[in-house]
Parts: sequence; structure tokens; C-alpha cells
Amino acid sequence: KAGVTQTPRYLIKTRGQQVTLSCSPISGHRSVSWYQQTPGQGLQFLFEYFSETQRNKGNFPGRFSGRQFSNSRSEMNVSTLELGDSALYLCASSPQPGAGELFFGEGSRLTVL
Amino acid sequence: QKEVEQDPGPLSVPEGAIVSLNCTYSNSAFQYFMWYRQYSRKGPELLMYTYSSGNKEDGRFTAQVDKSSKYISLFIRDSQPSDSATYLCAMKTASGGSYIPTFGRGTSLIVHP
Repeated sequence: KAGVTQTPRYLIKTRGQQVTLSCSPISGHRSVSWYQQTPGQGLQFLFEYFSETQRNKGNFPGRFSGRQFSNSRSEMNVSTLELGDSALYLCASSPQPGAGELFFGEGSRLTVL
Repeated sequence: QKEVEQDPGPLSVPEGAIVSLNCTYSNSAFQYFMWYRQYSRKGPELLMYTYSSGNKEDGRFTAQVDKSSKYISLFIRDSQPSDSATYLCAMKTASGGSYIPTFGRGTSLIVHP
């Protein structure tokens, strides 16, 4: 069974640009969550999607947005990039919301210059 | 003060040592406790999942929860160089509350031969 796939794995952007990250969950998993990981703050929850609906949202500004498609694939977008947005963005899938285990992808490492 | 506190380390031990990794938390509503392992350039993977207080053993790994002290531990017996990774604790409330897990910052473990 293929795991969670995230693309791109690495990217470099400059301040003010926007970025879109993609996540394909494990087949059959309908819940997708996004996390930001930095050395200083650790793993912080961004948002969760299920059945194309955002069910939960973390404490991030409106520049961070996401969506989920009917095939459960998800994208997140960050607009007007800031230096502090440099981080590893992790996508996690689970069969349904609140399931015990989250299955993480390898992440997309974003560097903002 | 963060809801979940975890010493980032690094913790360096010789091969064969018993490793103790710990987290403290402040939210008494947490009922589910997890430990994830994250290798360099990889996403976290679930190691242990426990409910409420007590111990759970899985091979060389033992998870311990003390709800009265708001303290959880992960013990690794006969540590191996392949155990070198970052270990993240995570916890969440029971159903009815927010089931989004809150993660610690992670402890970097180095097991040297």
C-alpha cells in the first residue's frame, strides 16, 4: 500500500510570493491534516479536511489556506510568503477524523529567502 | 507555557543503554497519549499509543503514563544506533472534545556504537 505522498519535496521561494503544496493520502483515507514543523515551535496543526470540508483549523493567519478534492487529495496554499514561513510542511492522513493513528508523508521543505 | 513540554536534547547514549524520554503536560483533559519517531528527512511514524494511565510494552519500547503527575515517558531498552531519531510525544482529549493531537517539540536521540 502506497504511503502519503507529498510534492514538491523541496522548494525555495522569495518573500511575497505564494506557494502551493500537494498531498495524496493513503488509498481509502478520507481525512487529511496539515502541520508546520519548525525547530523552535515543533509540530503545529494547520488544518484538517474530511469529505472536502475543513473540519478544524489551527491558529495560523489567513494567508494559510487549503482544500480537499473529491478523491481526498489535498492542497495547501501560503500567500504573501514571509521569512518565518520557512519550515517543513507535513501532511498526515487517517481513515476518518479522530482516528488513533496519523500517517505522515515525508514533508515539503519550504525555504523563504 | 506550552501545553506539552518536551526537552529537545540532544540526548546522547552508548549502544545498549536504557533510554528514558519524557513529556509533561498541563491539560488534564488529555486521555490519549502517543509517541512518534521521526528519522532525519522523514515524516513521523507512530510508535506507541496508550489510553489513560498505566504502562504499555511493545518489544524494546515501554510507554508509561502518570496522569496524576501529568507526565509521560517512553523507555527504550538495549538501545541501538538505528534508534537514533527524534521522538515526539503527542496527546489528545477523548471524543467530544478536540481530537486534534497536540505535539511536543521532540527530543533528538543519538545512540552511538
